[in-house]
Order: sequence, then structure tokens, then C-alpha cells
Amino acid sequence: QVQLVESGGGMVQPGGSLRLSCAASGFTFSSYGMHWVRQAPGKGLEWVAFIKYDGSKTYYADSVKGRFTISRDNSKNTLYLQMNSLRAEDTAVYYCAKDPLAAAGTRGIDYWGQGTLVTVSS
Amino acid sequence: QTVVTQEPSFSVSPGGTVTLTCGLSSGSVSSSYYPSWNQQTPGQAPRTLIYSTNTRSSGVPDRFSGSILGNKAALTITGAQADDESDYYCVLYMGSGIWMFGGGTKLTVL
Repeated sequence: QVQLVESGGGMVQPGGSLRLSCAASGFTFSSYGMHWVRQAPGKGLEWVAFIKYDGSKTYYADSVKGRFTISRDNSKNTLYLQMNSLRAEDTAVYYCAKDPLAAAGTRGIDYWGQGTLVTVSS
Repeated sequence: QTVVTQEPSFSVSPGGTVTLTCGLSSGSVSSSYYPSWNQQTPGQAPRTLIYSTNTRSSGVPDRFSGSILGNKAALTITGAQADDESDYYCVLYMGSGIWMFGGGTKLTVL
């Protein structure tokens, strides 16, 4: 069965950096695009970023563009989110999620991880 | 800036049928937006119910169905059960690799 396990969350000061990881299993990781989605405390879901199955293209929400970088290591079945210049408004649970479309393109999300909490505070 | 719109709240009686919608502040939703529906209960990760308008995710009962109704995407729940009480989020593909979530609908079963 599909499993997505996030790690790397924690507390960081404003302006700091953090790298999240997502270990994937139960499917051919290298064949599917992957997303990061976040949820601030008490708020709704916000799509953050998407990476194509082969890592050749990446896409970002305006709120994180230029500060966050999504990447993947298909040899390790792992997705990453490098977060720089963190702000208080980046405080959220970060979820990694699998796209249902194999190979090129995107069709959304069919599986979610359990999430990891990032807190940006001094 | 286009916004994805959802009803803030909805209620349904046990055993009843409810249709939640997902629209755009400007324009119409079509299947080209690949609308997806996600269910979330407090303290839990989201769970995908429907993607690409009407494809049920693995293990999702056929009480849940997706469609396009007029100029909006729709999620219909038939035979509502107590554990359907959740927040429901739609997400739309805006093109160029970008997705956008709606603000969510809080569904009450009573």
C-alpha cells in the first residue's frame, strides 16, 4: 500500500531554513509527480509546490516562490522541500502527496502523508 | 486573482443526500480543471475522495461521486452517515503546473 512519511519539521527562527523529507513506498516513486501542501493552524489547505516524476520541472505557489525549493531523489524514493527565509506565516503542517498521473503532467492528489509541523517563531 | 469558492458550511440529515460545489470567482469550472475533492476530520491528514472530476480514489465508497453541475464542480454524498461529518476541500488545476484549493466546506450531519 502507498505510504508517505514526512520528517524534518520543527521550530525555526524567522529568516531561518529547514529541509523537509518525505519517504515514499508502496508504489513506483520514479513514475509519479509529487506535491507539497500545507495547512496553517486552524486554516484551510494551501497547495505549495509540484515536481514532475523525473524532477525536470517544478512549480510553486506565489507565496513561496523564490524561497522554497522542491526536489526529489528517485534512487532513494524521497521527496524534499528546502525552505529558506522562513516567515511566521509559513507556520503550518506540511503534507507530501502523490499525484495520480504516471509520467508527464499532473492530475492532482490521490494519497497524502500524515504531515510534519513547522513552526517559525522567535 | 481568481479564487476557488466553496460553501462555508452545509448540513445534511443522516441517510440524506447532499451536494457540495466548487466554483471560481471568475469563470466556469470544467473537467479541464481536473477538480478533486478531499475529506479531512479534525487532527487528521486529508484523504482524497475524488480526483479528475469523477474518479474515486482507492477504497472510497460509491456513496461519494463527483461531477460538473452547470459552471461548478460538485461532490455528491448519498446516504449520509455520521462519520461523513468533516471538512471537504476541493482543489482545481489552474494551468502551468499550479493548483489552488478552495476554502473548504464544513459538513454537519444532524
